[in-house]
Amino acid sequence: DGGITQSPKYLFRKEGQNVTLSCEQNLNHDAMYWYRQDPGQGLRLIYYSQIVNDFQKGDIAEGYSVSREKKESFPLTVTSAQKNPTAFYLCASSPSWAGTQYFGPGTRLLVL
Amino acid sequence: GENVEQHPSTLSVQEGDSAVIKCTYSDSASNYFPWYKQELGKGPQLIIDIRSNVGEKKDQRIAVTLNKTAKHFSLHITETQPEDSAVYFCAARYTNAGKSTFGDGTTLTVKP
Repeated sequence: DGGITQSPKYLFRKEGQNVTLSCEQNLNHDAMYWYRQDPGQGLRLIYYSQIVNDFQKGDIAEGYSVSREKKESFPLTVTSAQKNPTAFYLCASSPSWAGTQYFGPGTRLLVL
Repeated sequence: GENVEQHPSTLSVQEGDSAVIKCTYSDSASNYFPWYKQELGKGPQLIIDIRSNVGEKKDQRIAVTLNKTAKHFSLHITETQPEDSAVYFCAARYTNAGKSTFGDGTTLTVKP
């Protein structure tokens, strides 16, 4: 099956802990994105990557970090500096920088 | 930057009726407008999109119209069914910018 996978489906974070959310795609897409979704709100862009080994900050990058060492993978780390991390995190990819975005199933992050 | 406003935030219709969701955007350079459907606990799925060189696009019961002069675009769902119940998001993007700006979503409920 081709598509975008995110793991885990649910993730729990303790105070002061860094956690990493996985995003993998086998669509051979160049661009990948991370969004945060809070209840009743739209999608806010955290980070995006146009090509391997390159990424840019989005609108709410503080407290998050990413890497893009492989074309198919774009992991997101939620650091302890993110004081309100509870949200639904969505990864997306597109064939090119100008292409249509397709979303993964999401990871729900909860703080213990 | 781009700003997208989406209305209404909630919409309830009777099965078989039509539903219309409207979005306005601020950046006249935006030239790509996708619509996504998000079911509870899942990632958004692209349902239809339109580019600025087209005024209307239709796919079975779903249609999107674009008015570039007024900078607004609308999603039309005809003959609604209970399985159409979901949150719908509009987005606007200038393709060279890569990033999309999303509306805050419309929760559509179709009552049997």
